[in-house]
Amino acid sequence: EPEVTQTPSHQVTQMGQEVILRCVPISNHLYFYWYRQILGQKVEFLVSFYNNEISEKSEIFDDQFSVERPDGSNFTLKIRSTKLEDSAMYFCASTSGGGSYEQYFGPGTRLTVT
Amino acid sequence: QKEVEQNSGPLSVPEGAIASLNCTYSDRGSQSFFWYRQYSGKSPELIMSIYSNGDKEDGRFTAQLNKASQYVSLLIRDSQPSDSATYLCAVKRGGADGLTFGKGTHLIIQP
Repeated sequence: EPEVTQTPSHQVTQMGQEVILRCVPISNHLYFYWYRQILGQKVEFLVSFYNNEISEKSEIFDDQFSVERPDGSNFTLKIRSTKLEDSAMYFCASTSGGGSYEQYFGPGTRLTVT
Repeated sequence: QKEVEQNSGPLSVPEGAIASLNCTYSDRGSQSFFWYRQYSGKSPELIMSIYSNGDKEDGRFTAQLNKASQYVSLLIRDSQPSDSATYLCAVKRGGADGLTFGKGTHLIIQP
């Protein structure tokens, strides 16, 4: 069964550094998403991406964040100048669209900012 | 402000009984409704989706939607210890919109 994959599973970085989180959505899916979950809190929407552009973004997704689909399979989230409060699980999700709105989540990347 | 409210629990249910999980949402423009299961340290796993008023059954799971009351529920029949997890209610408007999640209900199935 096709799955969303994410790398790395755990990333440790120092405050102020840039990180890139990578995702490979399910191959025939057209809509891609990033969410984050701070430990003990709810899952929060960051951004959606369709047809090589951002469709929607939340208030959390400020200039510190950017997304890119650099090739036909990868979908990345870049966080510039990381802060301690960026420490969280980051989940990628995808959906096929075309009437199906079910989003399937990857296993996540645990980001720890020290 | 879009809000999704769930009782955080824990909700303790004996094995074999019916677990009932509830969720309310604030955005009347919501069109799609989902239940996810999340084990500790893992990612959300889709269990059910429901788009129209009424009941939708899939195996031991039944989702119920009442848009007039802005209420979604999930029933789990014949509860098993492996059902012990946090259940997340999520809603969205449509198309490419992101999901708005509740904080989740922690369900414990007692053997």
